[in-house]
Amino acid sequence: QKEVEQNSGPLSVPEGAIASLNCTYSDRGSQSFFWYRQYSGKSPELIMFIYSNGDKEDGRFTAQLNKASQYVSLLIRDSQPSDSATYLCAVNPSSGGGADGLTFGKGTHLIIQP
Amino acid sequence: DGGITQSPKYLFRKEGQNVTLSCEQNLNHDAMYWYRQDPGQGLRLIYYSQIVNDFQKGDIAEGYSVSREKKESFPLTVTSAQKNPTAFYLCASSIDPGLASDEQFFGPGTRLTVL
Repeated sequence: QKEVEQNSGPLSVPEGAIASLNCTYSDRGSQSFFWYRQYSGKSPELIMFIYSNGDKEDGRFTAQLNKASQYVSLLIRDSQPSDSATYLCAVNPSSGGGADGLTFGKGTHLIIQP
Repeated sequence: DGGITQSPKYLFRKEGQNVTLSCEQNLNHDAMYWYRQDPGQGLRLIYYSQIVNDFQKGDIAEGYSVSREKKESFPLTVTSAQKNPTAFYLCASSIDPGLASDEQFFGPGTRLTVL
């Protein structure tokens, strides 16, 4: 059973601070990793994906991947109230090249306090 | 304007009824997916399809059926055999699931409630 684990939160962060979201996965052969943002009642939208060990930066967002430890994280710098949402970690499983869909964590509810 | 559309946005079903949720995409994507999301939960895969006239069961396919007669369309039928169908249903598509960077794009979702 492939599993993706996230702390459900809520994670409360002051405006302007760095928000750190973490995700661990069970399938060591997983190839790529996605972070989606989901506002209440809306569908998920992709923020970033990463498939190489290390850091990947895109604006205020940085994804970090450590395959040896089987964790992936998302850092949000200069947090804004509009960043308040649920963040879903998704993993592309090793079998089938992802053709059988992504495995999602339950999400972390992030609250940015003005 | 390319994207994925789902209809209806809200759907109410009486017990014992079958209902069909529509999903259409004009992104020319080969792969399409159906997920279910319950409150406070992540997305769970119901069915997926890589090409026309072919589809595979996901993790929670029981009580659901799909068809893929056209590349653009992947309707989901929630049958009376589905014991707890009240949930938020999300359709997604992607270009090539064989690529590590393959991104799934989501439609706006259909919220189904059983009365």
